[in-house]
Amino acid sequence: EDKVVQSPLSLVVHEGDTVTLNCSYEVTNFRSLLWYKQEKKAPTFLFMLTSSGIEKKSGRLSSILDKKELFSILNITATQTGDSAVYLCAHRPYNTDKLIFGTGTRLQVFP
Amino acid sequence: DGGITQSPKYLFRKEGQNVTLSCEQNLNHDAMYWYRQDPGQGLRLIYYSQIVNDFQKGDIAEGYSVSREKKESFPLTVTSAQKNPTAFYLCASSFNYRVGNYGYTFGSGTRLTVV
Repeated sequence: EDKVVQSPLSLVVHEGDTVTLNCSYEVTNFRSLLWYKQEKKAPTFLFMLTSSGIEKKSGRLSSILDKKELFSILNITATQTGDSAVYLCAHRPYNTDKLIFGTGTRLQVFP
Repeated sequence: DGGITQSPKYLFRKEGQNVTLSCEQNLNHDAMYWYRQDPGQGLRLIYYSQIVNDFQKGDIAEGYSVSREKKESFPLTVTSAQKNPTAFYLCASSFNYRVGNYGYTFGSGTRLTVV
């Protein structure tokens, strides 16, 4: 059974800190790994990763995939209170439209 | 603007009642999905549909039913058989995997509470 595991489950930091969120997976037919940010309701798309070792960046956020060790990390530098959210990691296998989600990491950034 | 709309945002249901949650998209997406989100459990797949008039059970389909009569619409009925229906329900859509490797677009969710 495919599995996606995120850690930590919860994280509390102060503004300006740098955080690293982890996502490991045990899946068959790996195609891509996706990161979403969920603030109140609808998750919003952050990154899609398909190749190992290629970092994707968007402002203060970046993510990278390691297909050999079966994990991905999401980095947020110089955190702001607006980064407070649940961060979801999901795997999309080949030949299917399904996404398999991890439990999420709840990040709280205090001023 | 293209998007995916869920309604209502909040729904209260008495025990023993069936309720239907609406999900409509105008993104021309082929596939649609229903997820349930409980605290500390991430998103769990209830049902999904890759094409009109066809749908498949996800991991937690018991007590739920769906239909896909139109490409734009994928309503979810929470039946009285669902033992613990209080949760946040998210609908999503995407292009078919044969078209390309795309992520999902999510609706804003419906929070269902059984009273």
